[in-house]
Amino acid sequence: DAGITQSPRYKITETGRQVTLMCHQTWSHSYMFWYRQDLGHGLRLIYYSAAADITDKGEVPDGYVVSRSKTENFPLTLESATRSQTSVYFCASTPRVGEAFFGQGTRLTVV
Amino acid sequence: DAKTTQPNSMESNEEEPVHLPCNHSTISGTDYIHWYRQLPSQGPEYVIHGLTSNVNNRMASLAIAEDRKSSTLILHRATLRDAAVYYCIKIQGAQKLVFGQGTRLTINP
Repeated sequence: DAGITQSPRYKITETGRQVTLMCHQTWSHSYMFWYRQDLGHGLRLIYYSAAADITDKGEVPDGYVVSRSKTENFPLTLESATRSQTSVYFCASTPRVGEAFFGQGTRLTVV
Repeated sequence: DAKTTQPNSMESNEEEPVHLPCNHSTISGTDYIHWYRQLPSQGPEYVIHGLTSNVNNRMASLAIAEDRKSSTLILHRATLRDAAVYYCIKIQGAQKLVFGQGTRLTINP
């Protein structure tokens, strides 16, 4: 099916563990984004990518690592998870300025 | 500041029109205004965008003030499925969507 898929949908992990959230899009959009959404903060940009092998920091990048070896995939890694990274994470891609398609989100709980 | 200003919440009745306002006083001449909405437990979804003139699509209409410092998203006949948080967004370089707090729209049956 065409679209943008995030996995897993739900994840519980322990403090200090490394965890990777996956994002896959089937359209070959150039731009991809990772946002986190917390109560009281709305959606905040973590990292974005303009194309394969091109990534850049967003508003809240600390504690996160991204890579983009293929256009369709944009994984987000928490190198050493902390409780403050408990959040809902959304991946998005865009074919043109301003018209983004978002995934269903990954709800991550760090205990 | 690239963020916009919206009321925190609004309420309307089913099958009535809804006008959601947004102030974007720092907008530049080439900035488009984009609207997204987020239904409960889902990711944001694109609604509509415009530059200077009013825009319509199957979901909504967008009315942009002549000075472009404000805009209004219009849902012509609200349904219960329109209950969501609506975001008015300016693009900030490199196609980045910068989200504010949005307006939580409640639709009463």
